[in-house]
Amino acid sequence: GQQLNQSPQSMFIQEGEDVSMNCTSSSIFNTWLWYKQDPGEGPVLLIALYKAGELTSNGRLTAQFGITRKDSFLNISASIPSDVGIYFCGSGGSNYKLTFGKGTLLTVNP
Amino acid sequence: NAGVTQTPKFHILKTGQSMTLQCAQDMNHGYMSWYRQDPGMGLRLIYYSAAAGTTDKEVPNGYNVSRLNTEDFPLRLVSAAPSQTSVYLCASSYRGETQYFGPGTRLLVL
Repeated sequence: GQQLNQSPQSMFIQEGEDVSMNCTSSSIFNTWLWYKQDPGEGPVLLIALYKAGELTSNGRLTAQFGITRKDSFLNISASIPSDVGIYFCGSGGSNYKLTFGKGTLLTVNP
Repeated sequence: NAGVTQTPKFHILKTGQSMTLQCAQDMNHGYMSWYRQDPGMGLRLIYYSAAAGTTDKEVPNGYNVSRLNTEDFPLRLVSAAPSQTSVYLCASSYRGETQYFGPGTRLLVL
């Protein structure tokens, strides 16, 4: 099946630092989604992107849908301890099925 | 709105036993899906349903679903095996792209 390459696999940062993670694919997608998952919980939708080049913010989070439609990045500015968790990218094509990256584990040191 | 709800949160099964994982959504979403989440593997689609009365299998064997109405999408493990130990996540969406997840069911098969 289709694969998404998400990087980095994990990050360990200091509180207040900015964070960037990205997903790439060899296939073209119509939708890019970013989720956050806390331990013992289901993924929560952070940002949804529907158009190539689209740049969307949600508080301290900013995500972009790549022009080539094969990649997306998520930035977190001024990280805080509650940003800790696993961040997943997901992308969808015309068949409405989503493919997910394997996640980025973010640890924030207070 | 409760969103997507899943029960139970956690369960232990013996090999060969059967069990139904419950999933319900109150957002009038047509599209519902089941994923399993394993360490290092990301999210893997098991079954999906584009509308009440229709289902589509993504992976073979060991699982069964029904979609008798819009709200409910139960997943049945026919004869549990240790390889089915996982976190099971149910999701729903309006059309299949922007999916909203439930909190998950953690299943241990001994």
